[in-house]
Amino acid sequence: DAGITQSPRHKVTETGTPVTLRCHQTENHRYMYWYRQDPGHGLRLIHYSYGVKDTDKGEVSDGYSVSRSKTEDFLLTLESATSSQTSVYFCAISELSVNEQFFGPGTRLTVL
Amino acid sequence: EDKVVQSPLSLVVHEGDTVTLNCSYEVTNFRSLLWYKQEKKAPTFLFMLTSSGIEKKSGRLSSILDKKELFSILNITATQTGDSAVYLCAVEAGGGADGLTFGKGTHLIIQP
Repeated sequence: DAGITQSPRHKVTETGTPVTLRCHQTENHRYMYWYRQDPGHGLRLIHYSYGVKDTDKGEVSDGYSVSRSKTEDFLLTLESATSSQTSVYFCAISELSVNEQFFGPGTRLTVL
Repeated sequence: EDKVVQSPLSLVVHEGDTVTLNCSYEVTNFRSLLWYKQEKKAPTFLFMLTSSGIEKKSGRLSSILDKKELFSILNITATQTGDSAVYLCAVEAGGGADGLTFGKGTHLIIQP
């Protein structure tokens, strides 16, 4: 398995609180991605990174921000969590831009 | 807007049957099509297809891409209960590392 970890694995929080999810890789891959997975919608891209401090928005980026200060870490922040952000969040990495992506174990986030 | 449609959405077969899962797409600047298997955890990579007409095989699983008709199929022969999962089709498109656009998946159930 690709060396990808996500933390926390489960989190319950209240509406309006800030939340940060962490993705850590040991593969030294250049590209990192955050997806959310919801019933009826499948996996949707939130943000991605193509290098340290290089990030861009995906399909469902509203309400989320990201940062990548080191190759191995990609952080996803919900500045003020809402119930609509209750989801399972997956991080993925890939070595090249046209290449298979490997997924982390996921973080289940519940916003009450 | 990029679109990936999978069919059927769910399928129940008996062990030993052969199944064919479908994926059609409409995207701008196609780069690759990927298949993933998802059990109750993160998606795991199966195949990546970039050239039309070339079959990728791994054991009982195989996949082929038709770039002219914009679809791919995933075949599973001699199915086993361990093949029960959600199978995800995803397309990489665009000019850079823009992430993957996923279909909603086919939920495959193999009955003993």
